[in-house]
Amino acid sequence: QQQVKQSPQSLIVQKGGISIINCAYENTAFDYFPWYQQFPGKGPALLIAIRPDVSEKKEGRFTISFNKSAKQFSLHIMDSQPGDSATYFCAASNEGGSEKLVFGKGTKLTVNP
Amino acid sequence: DVKVTQSSRYLVKRTGEKVFLECVQDMDHENMFWYRQDPGLGLRLIYFSYDVKMKEKGDIPEGYSVSREKKERFSLILESASTNQTSMYLCASSLGSGHTNTEAFFGQGTRLTVV
Repeated sequence: QQQVKQSPQSLIVQKGGISIINCAYENTAFDYFPWYQQFPGKGPALLIAIRPDVSEKKEGRFTISFNKSAKQFSLHIMDSQPGDSATYFCAASNEGGSEKLVFGKGTKLTVNP
Repeated sequence: DVKVTQSSRYLVKRTGEKVFLECVQDMDHENMFWYRQDPGLGLRLIYFSYDVKMKEKGDIPEGYSVSREKKERFSLILESASTNQTSMYLCASSLGSGHTNTEAFFGQGTRLTVV
């Protein structure tokens, strides 16, 4: 049973464009929603995270939008750069419970110069 | 800087061998995790430990076991390696219960090939 569904699997964007990756979850007990960025040959690293008490969080060019009623959240990358080319994973966990992160299947983003 | 160190970047083992993957973290984290990463399948949790000698099965524990004798070290054991265990293995750690920051820090990964 896949608890976090991520789309698209791959995404190609031109430099300067907006990249949008979507995730949907099923477990209403989830209360922590991070996004991880992974470059080839490296482990994933936390990019940005949100908790359900806010609907949006912005850090530089990266924004998470969160819709609690729809059980969906998305990552927006504004002014996408070739250096943003990486695989992005959304995740979710129940911080009041086991704290295990459940990951989406990942999105490979390519930003063309 | 939090550091999670996996003992090997690349490993090649033969079918039936017993394989040990080692992971060490230097930030006194309570939680440690082993994930497996395969193309198109994302990261799947194999085992989770929230304290020394404590462990919990993840989503795909079959064929694996773990050991946590010291807080900083978490080992993944493949009892009898099989070709379908060829994969990238990622270790991670996080602070643990009672902390507001639950960010997970990952190691560089170990790419295991079973032939």
